[in-house]
This record gives sequence, C-alpha cells and structure tokens, in this order.
Amino acid sequence: AQTVTQSQPEMSVQEAETVTLSCTYDTSESDYYLFWYKQPPSRQMILVIRQEAYKQQNATENRFSVNFQKAAKSFSLKISDSQLGDAAMYFCAYSFISSGSARQLTFGSGTQLTVLP
Amino acid sequence: DAGVIQSPRHEVTEMGQEVTLRCKLISGHNSLFWYRQTMMRGLELLIYFNNNVPIDDSGMPEDRFSAKMPNASFSTLKIQPSEPRDSAVYFCASSWDLYQPQHFGDGTRLSIL
Repeated sequence: AQTVTQSQPEMSVQEAETVTLSCTYDTSESDYYLFWYKQPPSRQMILVIRQEAYKQQNATENRFSVNFQKAAKSFSLKISDSQLGDAAMYFCAYSFISSGSARQLTFGSGTQLTVLP
Repeated sequence: DAGVIQSPRHEVTEMGQEVTLRCKLISGHNSLFWYRQTMMRGLELLIYFNNNVPIDDSGMPEDRFSAKMPNASFSTLKIQPSEPRDSAVYFCASSWDLYQPQHFGDGTRLSIL
C-alpha cells in the first residue's frame, strides 16, 4: 500500500524568508504523480504544485518549487520569499497511474505553516 | 469559471438524523471524489465516480453512508442515521478525467451532537 509521511506537524518562517516542507512516500509503482495542496483557514483545498514521477526536472510554480528525489522517495516543497498569505496547512499527496484507475490521492498528515511578520 | 460548489457550508444536527451533503462539479468534469477530513485520520477518500458510475466505494466507512450522482454535474453524500463520530469536514473534488488534477470544494463542516 502507498503511504505518505510528513514528519513536521508544524513549521514557522519569517516573512520574506525561505522554508522547506518535507515529505516522503512509499510505493512500488514506477509511474505516479506527487502533489502539494494548501489548506488555509478557509478550509478550501488548493493545488499548489504537481510533479510527474517520470520527469527528472523539478516542478516550479512562481515562489513554490519542489525537490523531487525519486530514488529516495522524497518530495519536499520550498517556499521562497514567504508571504503572510502562505500561512496554511500543507498536504503532500500521491497518486499512482494505472490504466483504468482513477487518480485516488493518498494524503500525508499535513504540516501547519506559520508565517511570522 | 465557478469551482466545485458544496452545500451546506456548515451542518449541525442531532445523532440519528439523516444528513445530506451536496456537491456541484465544475462544468465539463466527469470524475467526482468524496473525502472526509478528521484530526485523527487526516484526509480519507470515501468514494469516487467516473461518468456518473461509482468506481470504488471501499472507503465508505459503513452502510450508513451512501453517495449518488443523479446527473453528470451533481452528487450527494448521505448519512443515515448519523452518529457523533461522523463529525468531520467532508470535501468533494472533481476533475476533467481520471488522469487530471482534482479541484476541491470548500468543504462541509459536519457536527453531529
């Protein structure tokens, strides 16, 4: 079974600084997707960034980037120039790809990020 | 373009009552997912549909839970009878097809007294 582990229940960062959130996963699949979702106090789940396992290049979305280490099954999220609006719960998620299979997401337990002014 | 719309936003009811949660998919999406979020268990997939057909309901906790898609753009999640341990935030998500990212609604916070 696939599992996703986020070992940091809470993190804090000073505004304008950089922070890295950790995520590891376990799978026997070779082709899969990894995601970071953000859940602010409003509860809405927002897709932050996505990484396809077959791509060696790390995904980047503006201030958000990932460090994808496939052999180590590690998928960390780096937030640069942190802003107050980045404060939220961040979930790492995994979805495997199989013909005819839906993109079920397996979620980590989340990391609560606080941004200090 | 409107996102996934869930209603109600909050629901408080007494145990034993029937609860119905509603979800409107993003126009054109054909895959629908129901999730439950609790402090103890995090986010759990309950059931998902593709083209109105339930594909996997193995995450549904008990027979008290049922989900339907009466049409391509709408889904309901029903709990009957409800119990205090059903208290959670329930999310609905939709996607273009089985292989596209899921877009989440704002969730329904359910409290069973």
